[in-house]
Amino acid sequence: GAGVSQTPSNKVTEKGKYVELRCDPISGHTALYWYRQSLGQGPEFLIYFQGTGAADDSGLPNDRFFAVRPEGSVSTLKIQRTERGDSAVYLCASSAGGLYNEQFFGPGTRLTVL
Amino acid sequence: DAKTTQPPSMDCAEGRAANLPCNHSTISGNEYVYWYRQIHSQGPQYIIHGLKNNETNEMASLIITEDRKSSTLILPHATLRDTAVYYCIVLTEGGSEKLVFGKGTKLTVNP
Repeated sequence: GAGVSQTPSNKVTEKGKYVELRCDPISGHTALYWYRQSLGQGPEFLIYFQGTGAADDSGLPNDRFFAVRPEGSVSTLKIQRTERGDSAVYLCASSAGGLYNEQFFGPGTRLTVL
Repeated sequence: DAKTTQPPSMDCAEGRAANLPCNHSTISGNEYVYWYRQIHSQGPQYIIHGLKNNETNEMASLIITEDRKSSTLILPHATLRDTAVYYCIVLTEGGSEKLVFGKGTKLTVNP
């Protein structure tokens, strides 16, 4: 079946602009996770949803970052007033929820802020 | 969640077993050990997890010491496609499901 998909695969923007990154989870998965990965580093947790609500948003670096999942399926990560330091690969994962269910990752969106 | 320590890199010959160690000396009784790997330019992939008993699946085996302070991921017959960064992660039962990735171990399988 279809895995986790993310769009766009690449996004180039200018400093100060607003961007939206989309994640389509595996059908039926109730949990959805956002991570970001800078070059040479492991993925860094941002936020995860259980259904429509954010269960843990402790990884969002500041109030320029916001994520929604209004219908409990597709999620959008929104970044306002982008900065060059926001350049990274943004990874989305989904799972059936719960500690014992593996997270399935998408291919990521590479964001470059010029 | 307990902190984990892994060697930064390891090499293995194709066809041989790859044994990747992880130290989690502060692990608590309700914390599980998870392993994920990340092949270059791909998202991470789940491998295996365990609490205290040894576990095996089609990808790997996980050996956890009796005191649970360390574990070893074993790839029994490594192939070139197993070249990746391997992450050992500890998750708490009843806690957040977020994965905290360290720097992992870069495993290179050589022909």
